[in-house]
Amino acid sequence: DAKTTQPTSMDCAEGRAANLPCNHSTISGNEYVYWYRQIHSQGPQYIIHGLKNNETNEMASLIITEDRKSSTLILPHATLRDTAVYYCIVRTANTGNQFYFGTGTSLTVIP
Amino acid sequence: NAGVTQTPKFQVLKTGQSMTLQCAQDMNHNSMYWYRQDPGMGLRLIYYSASEGTTDKGEVPNGYNVSRLNKREFSLRLESAAPSQTSVYFCASSGGTGGYGYTFGSGTRLTVV
Repeated sequence: DAKTTQPTSMDCAEGRAANLPCNHSTISGNEYVYWYRQIHSQGPQYIIHGLKNNETNEMASLIITEDRKSSTLILPHATLRDTAVYYCIVRTANTGNQFYFGTGTSLTVIP
Repeated sequence: NAGVTQTPKFQVLKTGQSMTLQCAQDMNHNSMYWYRQDPGMGLRLIYYSASEGTTDKGEVPNGYNVSRLNKREFSLRLESAAPSQTSVYFCASSGGTGGYGYTFGSGTRLTVV
């Protein structure tokens, strides 16, 4: 699996958009980009994933650059409950393939 | 509610004791995983089972054994616990096609004294 690089920490004002970047310059053509978050030692929670097109769901949007070497997770209106560690992971779609988590980005939403 | 159930939620062991962490999922997922998370660190893969009847080592398998009892259950055993195994243990499962992700359990907080 390709490795990812994320900033260690970020702050965001409540109600504003939180934009979390991720670099994955060695991503392969069949590898997806996944985002998870972990709130205060709970089990990680799936947010969104994509291959090459931008994706949106009820939680967030995922913007993947055309060359697929980087992506951005967007939380459109951050709330205090979005304070968490956010992990960007790349891997293939095969269900047996495991996720390798890095240390992620610690996002703090400020009132 | 459908999901991944881990037991126990908390455990304190003495060095050298053994125990088994239990994990069960009711989503008919093929693959199951065990991770550990040390304070301030990301998750590290211990063992995984891509399908019923198979298990494979992850990044940090030393000191652990696993059993895929059936499609629903995947247990993690510490034969002789050491203080270095103090951690939070998470079980996860995945299934389906098209880039499905993981569903995680709520974790087992293990302290070895």
